[in-house]
Amino acid sequence: IQMTQSPSLLSASVGDRVTLSCKAGQNINNYLAWYQQKLGEAPKLLIYNANSLQTGIPSRFSGSGSGTDYTLTISSLQPEDVATYFCQQYNSWTLTFGSGTKLEIK
Amino acid sequence: EVQLQESGPGLVKPSQSLSLTCSVTGYSITSNYWGWIRKFPGNKMEWMGYISYSGSTSYNPSLKSRISITRDTSKNQFFLQLNSVTTEDTATYYCARLPGSYVMDAWGQGASVTVSS
Repeated sequence: IQMTQSPSLLSASVGDRVTLSCKAGQNINNYLAWYQQKLGEAPKLLIYNANSLQTGIPSRFSGSGSGTDYTLTISSLQPEDVATYFCQQYNSWTLTFGSGTKLEIK
Repeated sequence: EVQLQESGPGLVKPSQSLSLTCSVTGYSITSNYWGWIRKFPGNKMEWMGYISYSGSTSYNPSLKSRISITRDTSKNQFFLQLNSVTTEDTATYYCARLPGSYVMDAWGQGASVTVSS
């Protein structure tokens, strides 16, 4: 299943509400995860089942969506949120990832 | 707290085999699923496959003829072997834990592997 993320690069200011998009090539029934990868670090699981917050992740991160269209929202952007964000579907047993959105601070 | 660490050669010649080890501490690999994921230059991520708590495996069909994932439960390690590599296998290779075989909730730091003569 092809996963398409947009935009590929996003620049926003500290305190902004930020929305990242992930679109699946077919209905993935909310079987979607979001990961954050900071430069030089391992990826970190943020959200699973489209809207469930992983333990220890700040509540400013949230996920939503259904069918083929999903969104990761950061309610108030913090400097430490600079990273690349990936979505991943698990509706198909062949797990696939989006190409990532790089988030920068303006 | 579970920790994973990849190790292995950083340079492999074309047509040879790529072999990596993932050493796990703080959690037994006889529970859950344990997988390999790679990230290519340019950010594309690819799930390669996993080995389960029982030793069964599942592989990405795009790699099925070249990949093998095995384990040594006495050392709490699992392994990746990728045969007949080409320059297109140049990537950072990550090992990860997959509870339920679907998402990766713990990752290693990654091992950069370059395929070049």
